Amino acid sequence: KAGVTQTPRYLIKTRGQQVTLSCSPISGHRSVSWYQQTPGQGLQFLFEYFSETQRNKGNFPGRFSGRQFSNSRSEMNVSTLELGDSALYLCASSRQGSWVEQYFGPGTRLTVT
Amino acid sequence: TQLLEQSPQFLSIQEGENLTVYCNSSSVFSSLQWYRQEPGEGPVLLVTVVTGGEVKKLKRLTFQFGDARKDSSLHITAAQPGDTGLYLCAGLNNNNDMRFGAGTRLTVKP
Repeated sequence: KAGVTQTPRYLIKTRGQQVTLSCSPISGHRSVSWYQQTPGQGLQFLFEYFSETQRNKGNFPGRFSGRQFSNSRSEMNVSTLELGDSALYLCASSRQGSWVEQYFGPGTRLTVT
Repeated sequence: TQLLEQSPQFLSIQEGENLTVYCNSSSVFSSLQWYRQEPGEGPVLLVTVVTGGEVKKLKRLTFQFGDARKDSSLHITAAQPGDTGLYLCAGLNNNNDMRFGAGTRLTVKP
């Protein structure tokens, strides 16, 4: 079966702009989690959505938001971009939202100039 | 702040050598996972350990969870170039928060 897909794969934005990233989970998976990966901070949890509801949230400012649609596809939005937002944004899906088995997509590489 | 410390940060070895990488914390985790990430891809789950003292084997990879559930190790026997990648450990605490280590970047030279 198809894996987790993320679009776009690469994105270049300027400071102050906003961006929306998309994630399509594996068919049948109801949970989608978002992570930010940077060389300095490593992989950090942003939030998790399960059945269209945010269930867990990491320690990120309110500029980072997300949502999940009825087909389990999820979007993440970052407003008023800062240089420090440059990172690889990964989403992961799992069947029941369990941490036991989650599958990551290839990520969206965001560069803020 | 990294709650999970991974060591070494970088490791470069020749094909056929053995190696061990470590994941340490002062916190207790209800479960711990190991992932491998290759360039341009997302992390791939290798194993989940949940019981203190647990040892799991996956072909040439051996994973151990510490008795106190605060640390873990990954041992690779007879490393191959295909083992090259970033190895990440991730711990789930009792508050259902998952934390990742910064990773060990392994290069296996043919």
